[in-house]
Amino acid sequence: LAKTTQPISMDSYEGQEVNITCSHNNIATNDYITWYQQFPSQGPRFIIQGYKTKVTNEVASLFIPADRKSSTLSLPRVSLSDTAVYYCLAGGGADGLTFGKGTHLIIQP
Amino acid sequence: DAMVIQNPRYQVTQFGKPVTLSCSQTLNHNVMYWYQQKSSQAPKLLFHYYDKDFNNEADTPDNFQSRRPNTSFCFLDIRSPGLGDAAMYLCATSRDGSAAGVDTQYFGPGTRLTVL
Repeated sequence: LAKTTQPISMDSYEGQEVNITCSHNNIATNDYITWYQQFPSQGPRFIIQGYKTKVTNEVASLFIPADRKSSTLSLPRVSLSDTAVYYCLAGGGADGLTFGKGTHLIIQP
Repeated sequence: DAMVIQNPRYQVTQFGKPVTLSCSQTLNHNVMYWYQQKSSQAPKLLFHYYDKDFNNEADTPDNFQSRRPNTSFCFLDIRSPGLGDAAMYLCATSRDGSAAGVDTQYFGPGTRLTVL
């Protein structure tokens, strides 16, 4: 499981696009990159996962450059309800997930 | 709806009094995990079951035990809770825990434990 580094906190405003970048310099060849979202007093929730290039779902996009040493979670047109902690993980399997510190995203009106 | 259920959502116990937290799942997943999350910290894995096989993290205190009587249920037992064990306890499942992080984990809402 590769160590990940991401900003401790970020601020933005409603309606803006938010990009959170995560570095994972030691990612293994077979590792996937996964992002989870956690609201206060709730369990983490899967947002998106990718291996390379770009992945998009109804919630977010994930951009992964060719060297895969970093990834960027993009949240389009955020709202107040997107205020949460976002965790980036690289790899992890049956032995469980090792969460980094996460990024505390605060959306203001 | 298929989901991961944790009971109770809030649990208060006294210092040294054993407590059991429960988790059930309707996803029929092979792997069940227990995480501890203290205030303003990331979740920390305590142990997991791959089917009936128990896997303990090296730094999980002996005070913490787990049971998985069947596929659907998993229990976390804290034999002698200390003040430092106050935390949110999260149960999660994954289908088969395949390597490389492909297998998504599904988390329950957590049980917040208070130790008096």
